[in-house]
Amino acid sequence: EVHLLESGGALVQPGGSLRLSCAASGFTFSNHAMTWVRQAPGKGLEWVADISATGYSIYYADSVKGRFTISRDNSKNTLYLQMNSLRAEDTAVYYCAKEVGGVSLEPFDFWGQGTLVTVSS
Amino acid sequence: EIVMTQSPGTLSVSPGEGATLSCRTSESVGTNVAWYQQRPGQAPRLLIQTASVRAGDLADRFTGSGSGTEFALTISSLQSEDFAIYYCQQYQEWPYTFGRGTKLEIK
Repeated sequence: EVHLLESGGALVQPGGSLRLSCAASGFTFSNHAMTWVRQAPGKGLEWVADISATGYSIYYADSVKGRFTISRDNSKNTLYLQMNSLRAEDTAVYYCAKEVGGVSLEPFDFWGQGTLVTVSS
Repeated sequence: EIVMTQSPGTLSVSPGEGATLSCRTSESVGTNVAWYQQRPGQAPRLLIQTASVRAGDLADRFTGSGSGTEFALTISSLQSEDFAIYYCQQYQEWPYTFGRGTKLEIK
């Protein structure tokens, strides 16, 4: 059974940093692209960042480019999101999700339960 | 970026009835559209990919259709667990984009 468990969410001040992790199990992690999607309180879904199975190809939403870094450790079956220069508008539940295939531009067939990031002074 | 427009924003339907949710894209995406369901307090769940392919063991009362710029999700004989928010998403090109969602509520 596929399982994705996010961690690392917290209350952080504007301008601060945070690193989210997503521990994966139940599938061959190194064969699948992975992605981060966020959802601000009471709002819809916003794609954040994407990384291919090998880690070679990486993509970001314009809203986070230059501030966030996605990475993965296939030996640890773990996905990461390093978040710097955090702003109030980054406040959201952050979900990691598995993509159907190894390359990107695929649907997201499994999602974690999310971790809450709150940016506030 | 490709803009996804979902309608209506809220749809009130009685259990047992059917519902059709619409999604329009600002440019053609072929059939590279997925539909997700999100129940309150839960993560989204993939329902449909490639516009019309049901995910996993999804009940056949869920039907996806469309291509190009017009897509629809039809749910027949609504069950209590179907009342949720539904999002469409395109994966034709970067960035991935989602619609704002359609809330399906009990009438």
